[in-house]
Amino acid sequence: DSGVTQTPKHLITATGQRVTLRCSPRSGDLSVYWYQQSLDQGLQFLIQYYNGEERAKGNILERFSAQQFPDLHSELNLSSLELGDSALYFCASSVVPMGHSNTEAFFGQGTRLTVV
Amino acid sequence: GENVEQHPSTLSVQEGDSAVIKCTYSDSASNYFPWYKQELGKRPQLIIDIRSNVGEKKDQRIAVTLNKTAKHFSLHITETQPEDSAVYFCAASTGGAAGNKLTFGGGTRVLVKP
Repeated sequence: DSGVTQTPKHLITATGQRVTLRCSPRSGDLSVYWYQQSLDQGLQFLIQYYNGEERAKGNILERFSAQQFPDLHSELNLSSLELGDSALYFCASSVVPMGHSNTEAFFGQGTRLTVV
Repeated sequence: GENVEQHPSTLSVQEGDSAVIKCTYSDSASNYFPWYKQELGKRPQLIIDIRSNVGEKKDQRIAVTLNKTAKHFSLHITETQPEDSAVYFCAASTGGAAGNKLTFGGGTRVLVKP
């Protein structure tokens, strides 16, 4: 167990719908990252938050948005869903404060989203 | 932004042989290079990492080498075992004010044949 909790584990929804994926980072970790992994594909970086603020953005679609709350949990919102959005969505967290050396990023078990 | 290329995409080895996976990165400011192992249906887990001030690091049967000048780094697995079968991802990160987001390579599917 990495200490990073993602809910739900599985989600099946129809095209055009909106879903929210939730992530609770490890205790003490200030940075949260979201990654998308399509079938047999690599890990595509979506977005990073650090202590409530957006820090880095990857190839995240405009239909997708995220936020990190004061208690440091994060939510990824996916709207106007398309079949191609079906993927495994991972959240990861790390403790490293800005300007310091990198440390390990711990991944949650992922949310498998199926759009039908 | 950073771009990480990983080769090969698949690797089949006989149990007991060695496996080598190579990655190149584009951003010379990258200073942290972790390797993750992902078993089928599971989360990626860190197996080893190296920082830019080190050229080589070893942990039992796993070693990683870094060539900053050429901007490439490699994972070496010796005496492979069936439980080494998984997808391996390399990654690079710059850290600092830009944040420490990891940019991943495309992954290498390793199959160790008994």
